[in-house]
Amino acid sequence: GDSVTQMEGPVTLSEEAFLTINCTYTATGYPSLFWYVQYPGEGLQLLLKATKADDKGSNKGFEATYRKETTSFHLEKGSVQVSDSAVYFCALSGFGNEKLTFGTGTRLTIIP
Amino acid sequence: NAGVTQTPKFQVLKTGQSMTLQCAQDMNHEYMSWYRQDPGMGLRLIHYSVGAGITDQGEVPNGYNVSRSTTEDFPLRLLSAAPSQTSVYFCASSHAREAFFGQGTRLTVV
Repeated sequence: GDSVTQMEGPVTLSEEAFLTINCTYTATGYPSLFWYVQYPGEGLQLLLKATKADDKGSNKGFEATYRKETTSFHLEKGSVQVSDSAVYFCALSGFGNEKLTFGTGTRLTIIP
Repeated sequence: NAGVTQTPKFQVLKTGQSMTLQCAQDMNHEYMSWYRQDPGMGLRLIHYSVGAGITDQGEVPNGYNVSRSTTEDFPLRLLSAAPSQTSVYFCASSHAREAFFGQGTRLTVV
């Protein structure tokens, strides 16, 4: 079945540091890939998505590129802020359906 | 601008009690789902629905029941609560592969 493996946390960075959170997946066909963010005490929000190979999703300074050859969708941001502290989830949905399969989540803490 | 609304936000149950977690959405989405979130395990799918009158099991359905009588509502029933059901529960509705989540219900079973 489908699965998502993402970088274990927690991750602690200083403000303005470069961020990478690794995500790889296993799926049949052509899944869509997502990054969701969960701020403290809240539900998940869609951060960005990509629906086909080589697509780049971007939002709020975050980027991730759909790499089919390496089955990866790594999340990056050039300069993190304290307000980026949250839990980040990589997820996929299989071709033609809405069901989401999530990774275990990576807790990110940014210190000033 | 409500989106997905879950109630209650917090609940403590005794082992063996039953309860219903409520979920309502105002976006007219056909697809709705329930997840549980446990430390180190991400979100796991409990049940989902592709439209009114249609439900199906997800990854971890045991001990939970759902029904979907309207497009808007998708309640999750715990039939006889167990400590293993202590978790945070999220309801979501989806359209075109974009999921919108409620704020969650933190359930503790003692």
